[in-house]
Amino acid sequence: DSGVTQTPKHLITATGQRVTLRCSPRSGDLSVYWYQQSLDQGLQFLIQYYNGEERAKGNILERFSAQQFPDLHSELNLSSLELGDSALYFCASSAGTANEQYFGPGTRLTVT
Amino acid sequence: GQNIDQPTEMTATEGAIVQINCTYQTSGFNGLFWYQQHAGEAPTFLSYNVLDGLEEKGRFSSFLSRSKGYSYLLLKELQMKDSASYLCAGGLNTGFQKLVFGTGTRLLVSP
Repeated sequence: DSGVTQTPKHLITATGQRVTLRCSPRSGDLSVYWYQQSLDQGLQFLIQYYNGEERAKGNILERFSAQQFPDLHSELNLSSLELGDSALYFCASSAGTANEQYFGPGTRLTVT
Repeated sequence: GQNIDQPTEMTATEGAIVQINCTYQTSGFNGLFWYQQHAGEAPTFLSYNVLDGLEEKGRFSSFLSRSKGYSYLLLKELQMKDSASYLCAGGLNTGFQKLVFGTGTRLLVSP
């Protein structure tokens, strides 16, 4: 158990809908990272927050957005969902900005 | 560019030694990470190399050569539970640590 929690574990929704994925980092970690892992694809970095501020952006679609709250938990919002958005979404946290990242169990999103 | 290459799949026998290679063509990577991922589960941190050379941690060792853009993960005394994907990731420190992952090497350990 990495200490990073994510909810929900599974999510099934229809095209065009909007969902919110939630992540709580390890106690004391200030950085939160979001990754997408599609079938047979590597982990794709989406976005990073540090202590409430966005710090780095990767291959994140405009339909996706995220935020980190004062209590350091983070949410990833996915809107106008398409079939291709079906994937595992992982959240990771680290103590600072140059430390190993610890991954949560992931949210499996299925868009039908 | 930021490319990380590793073999797609490898097989090995229980008790054996296996070396998983990772090559990268990039500038800006300040270290190489290795993660283990069982199917459908979260990646778990194995090792981090920032300097050239070998880092040993129990049955797992990781090597880095920055001048050659090359790293490997060495697994000794293989066990069935080592069957998993092994992800090589470059750490980009543009002031903030961003990981660029390879697609992973699926290792199958047979009896």
